Amino acid sequence: EPEVTQTPSHQVTQMGQEVILRCVPISNHLYFYWYRQILGQKVEFLVSFYNNEISEKSEIFDDQFSVERPDGSNFTLKIRSTKLEDSAMYFCASSAGRQDSLGAFFGQGTRLTVV
Amino acid sequence: QKEVEQDPGPLSVPEGAIVSLNCTYSNSAFQYFMWYRQYSRKGPELLMYTYSSGNKEDGRFTAQVDKSSKYISLFIRDSQPSDSATYLCAMSEWSTLTFGKGTMLLVSP
Repeated sequence: EPEVTQTPSHQVTQMGQEVILRCVPISNHLYFYWYRQILGQKVEFLVSFYNNEISEKSEIFDDQFSVERPDGSNFTLKIRSTKLEDSAMYFCASSAGRQDSLGAFFGQGTRLTVV
Repeated sequence: QKEVEQDPGPLSVPEGAIVSLNCTYSNSAFQYFMWYRQYSRKGPELLMYTYSSGNKEDGRFTAQVDKSSKYISLFIRDSQPSDSATYLCAMSEWSTLTFGKGTMLLVSP
């Protein structure tokens, strides 16, 4: 069964360092997303990506964040200068259509710990 | 402001029970509704999605949407210990999903 895969499963970084979280979406999907879940909190939308550009982003997705689809299969989230409050589980998701109509399929997540 | 409310639980039931999980919301513009299951330290897994009001059934799972009451439900029949997880409702007005906080379900053998 096709699935969204994310690497690494756990990333520990020092405050102020840059991190790149990687995702391989389901191959025939066209829409890609990043969400995050702070421990004990709701899953929160960060950004959606379609046709090689950001289609929507939340208030959380500030200038410290960027996304890229460098080679047609990978989808990355970069945090330029990590803060303690960036510690969370980051989920990549993809969907064949707009997520509101078909639902999105999530990866297993990358646990980011900023120390 | 978009807001989705969900009782965090935990909801404890014996194996074989019928489980009812619910969410309320305040944004009347939501028109797509989904239920996800999340095991501990795993990603959300899409269970069901529905559009607008009505019922949808898939095996032991039934999703109901009542837009007039801004209330959605997920029913699980013949619950199994493997159903023990956190159940997240999610809904959308246009393109982004707004999640509830999730209800933890514990099904005891």
